[in-house]
Amino acid sequence: DARVTQTPRHKVTEMGQEVTMRCQPILGHNTVFWYRQTMMQGLELLAYFRNRAPLDDSGMPKDRFSAEMPDATLATLKIQPSEPRDSAVYFCASGRTANSNQPQHFGDGTRLSIL
Amino acid sequence: ELKVEQNPLFLSMQEGKNYTIYCNYSTTSDRLYWYRQDPGKSLESLFVLLSNGAVKQEGRLMASLDTKARLSTLHITAAVHDLSATYFCAVDPLFETSGSRLTFGEGTQLTVNP
Repeated sequence: DARVTQTPRHKVTEMGQEVTMRCQPILGHNTVFWYRQTMMQGLELLAYFRNRAPLDDSGMPKDRFSAEMPDATLATLKIQPSEPRDSAVYFCASGRTANSNQPQHFGDGTRLSIL
Repeated sequence: ELKVEQNPLFLSMQEGKNYTIYCNYSTTSDRLYWYRQDPGKSLESLFVLLSNGAVKQEGRLMASLDTKARLSTLHITAAVHDLSATYFCAVDPLFETSGSRLTFGEGTQLTVNP
């Protein structure tokens, strides 16, 4: 089965450090989403790409977060500098705009802890 | 701003019982998704509902969509322990092809007790 692959699965680091999370969308999918999940806020959309172009990153703190898609097989989410409040599970999802019957497919997530 | 509200947020039920989870949303949409999340795991797609009156069933779960009422339901029949999970509904606020942004409800944490 085709899957969205996220790395790393777990990351523990000290505040102030740079964190990079990576996502490989399903081959043929042209939309990529980054979500953050916490107990308090639930699932929040951080950024959204279509055909590698950023369409919406309004959910993302601009001063420290950045999202890019250097090629069709890789999306990255960076936090610099990281803060304890960034601790959360970050999910990447991909989808296909040409197929209206398919949902977004989620990766397994990156569980991030900032000490 | 699109709001998606689920209720109940927490549901504890006995095996063998029936129950319904409700998902209300605040804007016109023809496209609604249900996902399941087990603790510490990813979100797994359950149902895609694409039109008014759509009904989908898989095992003990049945989902329906009423776009006029802006309401979707997830009905659980004769619950079993394996259904314990958190269930999310998500709404696509624009009628465009799949891949547009979704707004998720808060999730309903279901616990099925023996």
